[in-house]
Amino acid sequence: EVQLVESGGGVVQPGGSLRLSCAASGFTFSDHYMDWVRQAPGKGLEWVGCSRNKARSYSTEYAASVKGRFTISRDDSKNSLYLQMNSLKTEDTAMYYCSSVTAGYWGQGTLVTVSS
Amino acid sequence: QSVLTQPPAASGTPGQRVTISCSGSSSNIGSNFVYWYQQLPGAAPKVLIYRNNQRPSGVPDRFSGSKSGTSASLAISGLRSEDESDFYCAAWDDSLSGRVFGGGTKLTVL
Repeated sequence: EVQLVESGGGVVQPGGSLRLSCAASGFTFSDHYMDWVRQAPGKGLEWVGCSRNKARSYSTEYAASVKGRFTISRDDSKNSLYLQMNSLKTEDTAMYYCSSVTAGYWGQGTLVTVSS
Repeated sequence: QSVLTQPPAASGTPGQRVTISCSGSSSNIGSNFVYWYQQLPGAAPKVLIYRNNQRPSGVPDRFSGSKSGTSASLAISGLRSEDESDFYCAAWDDSLSGRVFGGGTKLTVL
């Protein structure tokens, strides 16, 4: 059974940092491109960024709204995906989902609240 | 303002057929696969359609996807009350070098 389990969410002050983790199981993680997608309360889905697989040199892409502040990394030996979030803003408040969008795998999400 | 355009709302009665549109451009839908997701209240998105018109195992054949040029559609036939949820389309955008989502369509079963 495919599972993606996010962790690391919480409440942080504006300007602060947070690191999200996603533990994958049930599929060959190293073969897949992996995404982070977020959803602000009551809003639609917003793509945050992605990490390509080893064959594509683990290259990353980011949405303009987070570029320069967020960093995606992965550890295939641990079947894990990470999202380092720096210089957080109130508008970053959202549920953050780990996903392989093209494979249709989604975690249940972890909530990040940026508030003073 | 989302890169992919969906109607914010759609509705139908039980048993009816409903279609949800997703309009994009040559850099996204026009040159890449389209995916459709269903999101029930309080739940994570679930894939309904991948690669324009493919259905994962377990998704009823009442759901179908199509693509023509820079637009795509999700059709739901034999509408059921449990279909009431939000639906999103998604595609890769070559110009943005990123994935783009539609703004979502809230389906109401009357």
